[in-house]
Amino acid sequence: EVKLVESGGGLVQPGGSLRLSCAASGFSFSDHFIHWVRQVPGKGLEWVSRFIGDENSPTYADSVKGRFTISRDNAKNTLYLQMNSLRVEDTAVYYCARDHGSSWDCWGQGTLVTVSS
Amino acid sequence: DIQMTQSPSSLSASVGDRVTITCRASQSVSSFLNWYEQKPGKAPKLLIYAAATLERGVPSRFSGSGSETHFTLTISSLQPEDSATYYCQQTYSTPPTFGQGTKLEI
Repeated sequence: EVKLVESGGGLVQPGGSLRLSCAASGFSFSDHFIHWVRQVPGKGLEWVSRFIGDENSPTYADSVKGRFTISRDNAKNTLYLQMNSLRVEDTAVYYCARDHGSSWDCWGQGTLVTVSS
Repeated sequence: DIQMTQSPSSLSASVGDRVTITCRASQSVSSFLNWYEQKPGKAPKLLIYAAATLERGVPSRFSGSGSETHFTLTISSLQPEDSATYYCQQTYSTPPTFGQGTKLEI
């Protein structure tokens, strides 16, 4: 079964840091784009970042560029999102999603990040 | 960035009705257009990809059409479980972008 499981969310103060994880199973991790996407509760979906499996070429939304860093551990089939200098507007549910030929066919359950003092 | 605009933003319909949701792109996305369904507290689920191809396991009452800048999602005979928010998404260019969503109440 193809599966993605996010973890690492929680409550953090503005200016703080968190690292999210996305554990993949049931498919070849390095053969797929994996995206981070976020959703403010009750609002729409916003793409955050992408990491190409076999290349070191991440891309980021302008809203997080310079603050967020995507990385991976192939041995653990896990994708990470290091989030620094967090802002109140980064509060959202963060999902990872598998890209399967330009559509995203598998999503994790999401992890909630709350940035508040 | 390519802007995706859905209409309507919300609608109410009855079981057995046929409904159509429209998605317009600010520039051509060819057929790199996907539709997702999201229920409260759940992750989005892929329904249609490449504008018109039904994802495996999705009921045949769902269909998609369109190209370039104008796309539609049609549900031919609404079922109670179709109550959800529907999003279109373009993956033609980076950043991939979503429509604002259409909330469907049954």
